[in-house]
Amino acid sequence: GAGVSQTPSNKVTEKGKYVELRCDPISGHTALYWYRQSLGQGPEFLIYFQGTGAADDSGLPNDRFFAVRPEGSVSTLKIQRTERGDSAVYLCASSQGGLNEQFFGPGTRLTVL
Amino acid sequence: AQSVTQLGSHVSVSEGALVLLRCNYSSSVPPYLFWYVQYPNQGLQLLLKYTTGATLVKGINGFEAEFKKSETSFHLTKPSAHMSDAAEYFCAVALNQAGTALIFGKGTTLSVSS
Repeated sequence: GAGVSQTPSNKVTEKGKYVELRCDPISGHTALYWYRQSLGQGPEFLIYFQGTGAADDSGLPNDRFFAVRPEGSVSTLKIQRTERGDSAVYLCASSQGGLNEQFFGPGTRLTVL
Repeated sequence: AQSVTQLGSHVSVSEGALVLLRCNYSSSVPPYLFWYVQYPNQGLQLLLKYTTGATLVKGINGFEAEFKKSETSFHLTKPSAHMSDAAEYFCAVALNQAGTALIFGKGTTLSVSS
């Protein structure tokens, strides 16, 4: 079956611009996670959705970052006023919740010039 | 707060040799521990996990890990390395049973030579 998909695969933007990153989870998965992976580092948690609501957004670095999941399926990560330090690979994962396996997408590589 | 330390950012072994990737965790509550693998140009894939019960956990591709509470460790092993095992390996701890965030280590790159 289809896995987690993320679009775009690559995004290049200029400092100060607004970007949206999209995640399509595995059908039927209630939990959805966003992580950020910088070069040479492990994935860093950003936000977790259970259904439509953000169950834990403690990893969002500041108020420039926001994510939504309005219908409990597709999620969009939104970054305002991008900074060069936001450059990273943004990973999305979905699961059936709890301690079930999180299935990861291929990521979106964001480059802020 | 939970954290994970992976000792050795790069491990090199010969084909057929033992693979040992080290992971130590810090957790104020009983930990839930995971190993993920990331092959070149692919997404992260779960190798194995420890939640409760048997402390020796077997995963895919011949890997296994043992949870040792006294040593706060969850090292990953494989008796005989294959060339196809070359990848980046991440140890992670879950914040709680409700299944919120995973806290990942920095990763260990495994190289396998013939």
